[in-house]
Amino acid sequence: EAGVAQSPRYKIIEKRQSVAFWCNPISGHATLYWYQQILGQGPKLLIQFQNNGVVDDSQLPKDRFSAERLKGVDSTLKIQPAKLEDSAVYLCASSYQTGWEETQYFGPGTRLLVL
Amino acid sequence: QKEVEQNSGPLSVPEGAIASLNCTYSDRGSQSFFWYRQYSGKSPELIMSIYSNGDKEDGRFTAQLNKASQYVSLLIRDSQPSDSATYLCAVTGGGGFQKLVFGTGTRLLVSP
Repeated sequence: EAGVAQSPRYKIIEKRQSVAFWCNPISGHATLYWYQQILGQGPKLLIQFQNNGVVDDSQLPKDRFSAERLKGVDSTLKIQPAKLEDSAVYLCASSYQTGWEETQYFGPGTRLLVL
Repeated sequence: QKEVEQNSGPLSVPEGAIASLNCTYSDRGSQSFFWYRQYSGKSPELIMSIYSNGDKEDGRFTAQLNKASQYVSLLIRDSQPSDSATYLCAVTGGGGFQKLVFGTGTRLLVSP
């Protein structure tokens, strides 16, 4: 079974530029998550999709971050304009549910450096 | 108060010893508890999940959950240098959707 795919793996941009990340979840996983992981911290949820609907985006800085999941499969996360503090690893995860138990699987992440 | 708390470490143990990693959480409504392992520069990898009070064993790993004390732990028996990584505790925040809240992680170092 193929895992969660993400691209690009690395990105370096200057502040105020825009950047977009792409995620392809595991086939059949209805729930997709974007996390931000700053060095030395645990992942922080930015947005959660159930199929193509947003379940939770309470921690998404909506003035600069946006995300979409068209057709309930692939997803993109965009930052515009980027700030220095956006330097982090952006992790995509997808999950399936068995009964009330849910398991999340992470992609390799995209390392973003904002200069 | 942080929602999920872990000692950042590093926790140093010799090869072959038992490593004990601890985690406390603040939301009494939490229902699902996970331990992820994260090697430097890699993404988190699920190693254990636990949903009810007591112990759950999987190979060299044992997860322990005490909901009354809001405490979850991970024991690694016969620790190996390859176990050296950061271990992230994650807890569902409760409610209708499985929002995971992570701790900051405990760095484990296993010396040969």
